[in-house]
Amino acid sequence: EAGVAQSPRYKIIEKRQSVAFWCNPISGHATLYWYQQILGQGPKLLIQFQNNGVVDDSQLPKDRFSAERLKGVDSTLKIQPAKLEDSAVYLCASSLGGSNQPQHFGDGTRLSIL
Amino acid sequence: AQSVTQPDIHITVSEGASLELRCNYSYGATPYLFWYVQSPGQGLQLLLKYFSGDTLVQGIKGFEAEFKRSQSSFNLRKPSVHWSDAAEYFCAVVGSGSARQLTFGSGTQLTVLP
Repeated sequence: EAGVAQSPRYKIIEKRQSVAFWCNPISGHATLYWYQQILGQGPKLLIQFQNNGVVDDSQLPKDRFSAERLKGVDSTLKIQPAKLEDSAVYLCASSLGGSNQPQHFGDGTRLSIL
Repeated sequence: AQSVTQPDIHITVSEGASLELRCNYSYGATPYLFWYVQSPGQGLQLLLKYFSGDTLVQGIKGFEAEFKRSQSSFNLRKPSVHWSDAAEYFCAVVGSGSARQLTFGSGTQLTVLP
């Protein structure tokens, strides 16, 4: 089966610019997650979707980050405006749903803010 | 809220030697536990998981982990390390109740010497 697809792989922008990431989950996976992984740390959940509804966005900095999952499949994560501390790898994951289902991760987008 | 501690930031072993990576968790009830591996520039790959039953679980690539409730630990082991095992390893926990967010430890970087 095809894995979780993410694009772009790398992105370099200046602070205060905007950026968007795209994720296509594994076919049939109802749950989609966006994580932020800062260098030297484990991934931190930003937002979780169940189909096209938000389940948990408690750690999403809503003043600058936004995410959507149109039609319950693909998802985009946007940052506007970007800050230096947003430099990180942004990982998308998907699962069949339920806390006992393993999450399958994409290769991530490495974002560098200048 | 649940938490995960990986006390070893970096471990170095010789190829062919045995390996044990430590993981301690904090959660009120029986958690769901996972080990993931991340190679440079890639996403996380699931090595193994524990939900219930036999406390010794087998995973891919010759890895195993043992759940010890009395010690709140879920240590990862491999009897003979290969050079290709060099990567970063993350332990993660998700609550089986209302706390469904997957929480990661900060990771252990494994270096394998020839």
